Amino acid sequence: AQSVSQHNHHVILSEAASLELGCNYSYGGTVNLFWYVQYPGQHLQLLLKYFSGDPLVKGIKGFEAEFIKSKFSFNLRKPSVQWSDTAEYFCAVADRGSTLGRLYFGRGTQLTVWP
Amino acid sequence: DAGVIQSPRHEVTEMGQEVTLRCKPISGHDYLFWYRQTMMRGLELLIYFNNNVPIDDSGMPEDRFSAKMPNASFSTLKIQPSEPRDSAVYFCASSTRPSQSSYEQYFGPGTRLTVT
Repeated sequence: AQSVSQHNHHVILSEAASLELGCNYSYGGTVNLFWYVQYPGQHLQLLLKYFSGDPLVKGIKGFEAEFIKSKFSFNLRKPSVQWSDTAEYFCAVADRGSTLGRLYFGRGTQLTVWP
Repeated sequence: DAGVIQSPRHEVTEMGQEVTLRCKPISGHDYLFWYRQTMMRGLELLIYFNNNVPIDDSGMPEDRFSAKMPNASFSTLKIQPSEPRDSAVYFCASSTRPSQSSYEQYFGPGTRLTVT
């Protein structure tokens, strides 16, 4: 089974600061990678995903993530955060093996942005 | 499409009572997932179905939990008897069959369960 590690449990930033949230996974085979966001009191929504091609993926609201296969990493970035980015961010991995359809989620990183 | 629909949105019950959570997946989706979210354990997959058949229920905490999917448009998660430690937000999600080019799970709004 996969394991997904998110290095930071809680990140606090001021508006306009740059953001990078770390994510590492354990599986060595072909994977699909995701970042989901959960705004306060809401359900999880897809932020961006990687399937193939350009390892730099752009998502909604100015977010991007880079897949580095050699490091088993899929870090999320945003050059300038806004107060409205305050939310919990989840990294998730799907492997192409026997657990077809299943996502493995990290523990999540709570981002707080101060105005 | 209305998205994944869950009911109730909030449930408060007393210890020992039976609780039933309901989920309607997005039409045409043949995978359905039940998750539990707590502060202590994060987001945990409880069980998932493919074409109404349970594929992996290894995340179900114990025999007090059961899940069914009698048809493609409805699933239930039942806890009997409920205990305070079952208090959590329970999410249902659905998806189409994964392909090499795309895949996404769509989450419902969740049911916040409080067991007193």
